[in-house]
Amino acid sequence: AQTVTQSQPEMSVQEAETVTLSCTYDTSENNYYLFWYKQPPSRQMILVIRQEAYKQQNATENRFSVNFQKAAKSFSLKISDSQLGDTAMYFCAFMKGGGSNYKLTFGKGTLLTVNP
Amino acid sequence: NAGVTQTPKFQVLKTGQSMTLQCAQDMNHNSMYWYRQDPGMGLRLIYYSASEGTTDKGEVPNGYNVSRLNKREFSLRLESAAPSQTSVYFCASSAAGTYGYTFGSGTRLTVV
Repeated sequence: AQTVTQSQPEMSVQEAETVTLSCTYDTSENNYYLFWYKQPPSRQMILVIRQEAYKQQNATENRFSVNFQKAAKSFSLKISDSQLGDTAMYFCAFMKGGGSNYKLTFGKGTLLTVNP
Repeated sequence: NAGVTQTPKFQVLKTGQSMTLQCAQDMNHNSMYWYRQDPGMGLRLIYYSASEGTTDKGEVPNGYNVSRLNKREFSLRLESAAPSQTSVYFCASSAAGTYGYTFGSGTRLTVV
């Protein structure tokens, strides 16, 4: 079974600064996908970024980028120019490739607070 | 708006009562999922339906049942609610699943 570990229960950052959230995972699979989801106080789950394991290039989405280290099984999220609206719980998630059930396994989350 | 609709948004039950959480999606997605979210635990999979007519257990299925009524609807039933089932429940759906899920807005359930 796959496991996802987020070692930072809480983090804080000043507005306009950069912050990195950590995620490690354990799997014996070679074909898989990794995700970061954001959950603001509204409770809605929002997809932030997605990475395919077979792609060496790190995914980026505007101010959000990842550092994907496949050998180390590490998948960190970097948020640049942090904004107050980035305050949220962030979840790292793993999905095995192939098959047909597409189950997501989530980490326990990191609560990020952006301070003015 | 297209998406995943969950009802109700809030519910309080007494121990031993039963209820059904409803979920419907209008995106023609094949796969649907039920997760529960508890503080410090992340989201844990209760049941999922990879396609219409199939359902399978996830990580924490005890105390729950599901029905995939048709391609659009996937309900979660608590037959005899227990305080340990106090949680926020999320329904999600997926087309080509490797692109992630679309989530509903969640149901906050309290069992007293």
